[in-house]
Amino acid sequence: EAGVTQSPRYAVLQEGQAVSFWCDPISGHDTLYWYQQPRDQGPQLLVYFRDEAVIDNSQLPSDRFSAVRPKGTNSTLKIQSAKQGDTATYLCASSGGGQDTQYFGPGTRLLVL
Amino acid sequence: QQQVRQSPQSLTVWEGETAILNCSYEDSTFNYFPWYQQFPGEGPALLISIRSVSDKKEDGRFTIFFNKREKKLSLHITDSQPGDSATYFCAARNTGYQNFYFGKGTSLTVIP
Repeated sequence: EAGVTQSPRYAVLQEGQAVSFWCDPISGHDTLYWYQQPRDQGPQLLVYFRDEAVIDNSQLPSDRFSAVRPKGTNSTLKIQSAKQGDTATYLCASSGGGQDTQYFGPGTRLLVL
Repeated sequence: QQQVRQSPQSLTVWEGETAILNCSYEDSTFNYFPWYQQFPGEGPALLISIRSVSDKKEDGRFTIFFNKREKKLSLHITDSQPGDSATYFCAARNTGYQNFYFGKGTSLTVIP
């Protein structure tokens, strides 16, 4: 069974540029999470979906961040105008079948100069 | 407010020793507590977990001790190996709500 895949693995931007991250969860998993993990900190939830519906996006900076999961499978997280404070690793995780276990992808490491 | 706290921030032990990682939480409705292991450049991976109805969970060299009254738990790694060197995250949630709260992690180094 393939794990959670993410792309790109790395991104380097100037402030004000836009970037998109892509996530392919484990097949059949209905719940998909996006986390931000600043250096030397734990993951912090940005948004999560059940199927195509957003369940909680209260921690997503809505003025610059957006996330979609249109068919309830793959998902895209976009930063419209990146700031230096967005420098972090962006992790995608999925879970399914009502189980508690989350499976994480390898993450996308973003550096905003 | 930090919902989940971990200590120490970093820990160094010799090979063969027992490493003890601590975690505490704020919300008394949390009832599921996974520990994740993360190596540099990788995403976190589930190591072991416990539910609040239990006070102990063992899996090989890894044991969670849980104290519901004090809202504390600890991860004990016995016979520590250099390959255990990683960052360990304690997380918590109420299973009625799928949001997980993570601590800031403990960086463990095992010296051969």
